[in-house]
Amino acid sequence: AQSVSQHNHHVILSEAASLELGCNYSYGGTVNLFWYVQYPGQHLQLLLKYFSGDPLVKGIKGFEAEFIKSKFSFNLRKPSVQWSDTAEYFCAVGGDKIIFGKGTRLHILP
Amino acid sequence: DTGVSQNPRHKITKRGQNVTFRCDPISEHNRLYWYRQTLGQGPEFLTYFQNEAQLEKSRLLSDRFSAERPKGSFSTLEIQRTEQGDSAMYLCASSVLGLEYEQYFGPGTRLTVT
Repeated sequence: AQSVSQHNHHVILSEAASLELGCNYSYGGTVNLFWYVQYPGQHLQLLLKYFSGDPLVKGIKGFEAEFIKSKFSFNLRKPSVQWSDTAEYFCAVGGDKIIFGKGTRLHILP
Repeated sequence: DTGVSQNPRHKITKRGQNVTFRCDPISEHNRLYWYRQTLGQGPEFLTYFQNEAQLEKSRLLSDRFSAERPKGSFSTLEIQRTEQGDSAMYLCASSVLGLEYEQYFGPGTRLTVT
């Protein structure tokens, strides 16, 4: 079955801390991987994507993610978080239809 | 604003009533998607269109649900005989030919069935 599993449902960090959000997927077709972000009161936005090529992808606002095929993982990282990174983050996989994980609520303490 | 727009943003209805939501995609985006998001969950795929053709429907889309995109531009999602379990955020997204997998989401319509 196609699925996405996000390891953490709620993460609380202080500003300047490093961030890593875990994501594992199970998918039978060509793997296209995404991280979406939803800031409070805003709609879902694409943070970064992986289709092929360099497994380390960089997105907006200093975020990056690494595709590790052998581990079926696509973890999101940021070396130093800011209060403005407070949001919900969704890992997703798919093509014509996207399968989302349940999301991780990230709360950054000022 | 040239993003995906959805109307209404909020809808409260009584169980058993019919509701219809509208989605206007980004201009020239030929693909349009509907998702449903319930509390504590990520969005779940419902259906998608390429131009006016409905190409796939999830089994989540029971026979009470129908979606249309008659002219290949805006789309409507209708729920007949609403049930409390239909309460959710209904999201619309669109993408452009050649970049189908980059979906741009609208703000959603929050449905509450009382």
